[in-house]
Amino acid sequence: AQSVSQHNHHVILSEAASLELGCNYSYGGTVNLFWYVQYPGQHLQLLLKYFSGDPLVKGIKGFEAEFIKSKFSFNLRKPSVQWSDTAEYFCAVKGALGGSYIPTFGRGTSLIVHP
Amino acid sequence: KAGVTQTPRYLIKTRGQQVTLSCSPISGHRSVSWYQQTPGQGLQFLFEYFSETQRNKGNFPGRFSGRQFSNSRSEMNVSTLELGDSALYLCASSLGQTGELFFGEGSRLTVL
Repeated sequence: AQSVSQHNHHVILSEAASLELGCNYSYGGTVNLFWYVQYPGQHLQLLLKYFSGDPLVKGIKGFEAEFIKSKFSFNLRKPSVQWSDTAEYFCAVKGALGGSYIPTFGRGTSLIVHP
Repeated sequence: KAGVTQTPRYLIKTRGQQVTLSCSPISGHRSVSWYQQTPGQGLQFLFEYFSETQRNKGNFPGRFSGRQFSNSRSEMNVSTLELGDSALYLCASSLGQTGELFFGEGSRLTVL
């Protein structure tokens, strides 16, 4: 069975600090990788995704993530966070199981950015 | 383009009752999936429907069921509610099986 582990459950940063949220998955086959964000009072929305090709992917609002296949990791980064980045972040994996793609989410990381 | 619409947004039920939640996907999306979100557990996959057929199912008891209609709208039903069913239930639609999910705002269920 596939699983997703997000290492940090709560992160508190000051504006302009750099951010890196860890995500590791457990699955041996082909995977599609995603980061979703849930701003306070809003619905979940896609930050970025990786299907194939360049392992460094760029998403909205200055976020990027790097897929390291050997480490089964897909860490999210942002060089300089803003107060508006305060949100909950979810890493997700879609791995093929018997021809079906079952989505698995991590437990989420709550990010608070102080102005 | 209208997003994913879920109704009702909030509801309160008592143990033993049943509940039906509704989801209207983005126009043109034929895949609808459901998730249970609770604090500390993240999102747990319930099931996915495509063209009125359940394509995948998560690890939830049989009290959780769903269906999809010919217009791609979907409903999920939880029977014999338990206190532990209190959660935010999210619906998501997508164009294909491997692509990104577009989420609704969720239906928050409280079981007393």
